[in-house]
Amino acid sequence: GAVVSQHPSRVICKSGTSVKIECRSLDFQATTMFWYRQFPKQSLMLMATSNEGSKATYEQGVEKDKFLINHASLTLSTLTVTSAHPEDSSFYICSALVNTRLTDTQYFGPGTRLTVL
Amino acid sequence: GDSVTQMEGPVTLSEEAFLTINCTYTATGYPSLFWYVQYPGEGLQLLLKATKADDKGSNKGFEATYRKETTSFHLEKGSVQVSDSAVYFCAYLFGATNKLIFGTGTLLAVQP
Repeated sequence: GAVVSQHPSRVICKSGTSVKIECRSLDFQATTMFWYRQFPKQSLMLMATSNEGSKATYEQGVEKDKFLINHASLTLSTLTVTSAHPEDSSFYICSALVNTRLTDTQYFGPGTRLTVL
Repeated sequence: GDSVTQMEGPVTLSEEAFLTINCTYTATGYPSLFWYVQYPGEGLQLLLKATKADDKGSNKGFEATYRKETTSFHLEKGSVQVSDSAVYFCAYLFGATNKLIFGTGTLLAVQP
């Protein structure tokens, strides 16, 4: 299957700082990527849809000024958590959409654990 | 509205036991259906998928059949191993937006 990487895998930062998380498709081009947030023992919550060369589409209740998404190339999308606070601590997972003849499939990255002190 | 319902966990089994994790969906049309697996501390891995009615997805001994009449996509495995311990998510693809609609996940714990 398609390989998606995320960097960093873990990050600890101080409250008030900004953190950038990268999501890369390693062996394919992805015009569409998705960013999710997962709380402990819960399902994934879709934050936004990232489209290459255009603005991201945010889900209801997600602050676009706080979670900045940039999809500048066909293999890279970034999520920047601005002015992070302890409540932003979470597991952030990205996925990349692969279009095939039969169906579209999302392939997920390994996730980034963010801890805000 | 559109949703996916999974059986609640945790599901605790002994090694070599038979596994069934139920999944039903509510959606318009005939969406593609997926099972993803999440091992501790990791992201999601695609386990299997089915794109149309009566399709059977299979991988690593796991199987699921797309049942249109019951709107179900139950996950089965004939003999589980300790290494299968993980959280399993059922999902369908909302075609208009390519968004995945996830179930709440089912924790499987396999004991030796």
